[in-house]
Amino acid sequence: EAGVVQSPRYKIIEKKQPVAFWCNPISGHNTLYWYRQNLGQGPELLIRYENEEAVDDSQLPKDRFSAERLKGVDSTLKIQPAELGDSAVYLCASSLVEDTQYFGPGTRLTVL
Amino acid sequence: QQQVKQSPQSLIVQKGGISIINCAYENTAFDYFPWYQQFPGKGPALLIAIRPDVSEKKEGRFTISFNKSAKQFSLHIMDSQPGDSATYFCAARDNNDMRFGAGTRLTVKP
Repeated sequence: EAGVVQSPRYKIIEKKQPVAFWCNPISGHNTLYWYRQNLGQGPELLIRYENEEAVDDSQLPKDRFSAERLKGVDSTLKIQPAELGDSAVYLCASSLVEDTQYFGPGTRLTVL
Repeated sequence: QQQVKQSPQSLIVQKGGISIINCAYENTAFDYFPWYQQFPGKGPALLIAIRPDVSEKKEGRFTISFNKSAKQFSLHIMDSQPGDSATYFCAARDNNDMRFGAGTRLTVKP
């Protein structure tokens, strides 16, 4: 069974530029999560989807971050404009409801 | 945002030794306590998990000890191997909201 797929794996951009990350969850997993992991820290939730509905986006900085999960399958996380402090690894995870979260390999973002 | 406190930050153990990582929490609504293992360049992967109605769970060389009254839980890695060298995260879940500790970087020396 294929795991959670994320792309790109690495992204380097200059500040104020836009950037987008893509995630394809495990087939059949209706819950999808986006996390941000700063260096030396644990993942912190940005947004959680149940199917196509964002059920928890309280930690998403909505002035510059946006996300969508059209058709309840894959998802895109966007930052516009990016700031230096956005440099981190962005992790996508998926799960069946109330089950184990499976993480993708993440996208390492560097903002110069 | 971190509601789970993890210690130590880093740990060095000799091959064959026991690695112990501790976590503490405050939110009594947490109902699921997993441990994740993360290798460099990879996402976290579930290692072992426990629910609060059980005081201990063992899977191979990995054991979780859970103390509900103290609101603490720990991971024990028996017979630690160099291949166990990774970062370990404890976590706690409340209503599908997972909170992670800051992580422990484990190094097992041959």
